[in-house]
Amino acid sequence: GIQVEQSPPDLILQEGANSTLRCNFSDSVNNLQWFHQNPWGQLINLFYIPSGTKQNGRLSATTVATERYSLLYISSSQTTDSGVYFCAVFSGNTPLVFGKGTRLSVIA
Amino acid sequence: DTAVSQTPKYLVTQMGNDKSIKCEQNLGHDTMYWYKQDSKKFLKIMFSYNNKELIINETVPNRFSPKSPDKAHLNLHINSLELGDSAVYFCASSQDAGNTEAFFGQGTRLTVV
Repeated sequence: GIQVEQSPPDLILQEGANSTLRCNFSDSVNNLQWFHQNPWGQLINLFYIPSGTKQNGRLSATTVATERYSLLYISSSQTTDSGVYFCAVFSGNTPLVFGKGTRLSVIA
Repeated sequence: DTAVSQTPKYLVTQMGNDKSIKCEQNLGHDTMYWYKQDSKKFLKIMFSYNNKELIINETVPNRFSPKSPDKAHLNLHINSLELGDSAVYFCASSQDAGNTEAFFGQGTRLTVV
């Protein structure tokens, strides 16, 4: 089945810093989503982005489907950005396959 | 108004018991899923239903049985609970099986003692 790899696995940032999270996938995808799992365990939808670029406030995402990767940019990070960021893909008839996540800690 | 809701949020039970987790979505979606998140935070698909029909059943012990009374509900029954079943279980839904955005419930933390 499709493989989804996220990097880095862990990231510590000073408040106000910028960061880029990467998601590589091993096959063509129908759909790609980024989620934030907050410290309370909720999975929050960030982006539905099978291709192209989207922005939402301080967050933006780019997916280059032909090269099988997606990037999540976080600018001017805040402590509330802490948590785990997941990339997940639909490929063919397979339901969302998740990467192992990037654990982000933003320090004041 | 919560789009995908699960109950209960927390469940603590003894080994050998039988328990159920309920899930409801009010998005009008045709496809619903159950995912398991283990202690290392890895999320893995367990079941997928489309219009009340099972379409995906990953390698899951047959002690786990999903039931979909209608396309807005997908419940998870677990028989003879084991310590290794302790995890967070997430319900999700999407308009169809693969090409549209999926939305997740808040999760049910199951602890087997």
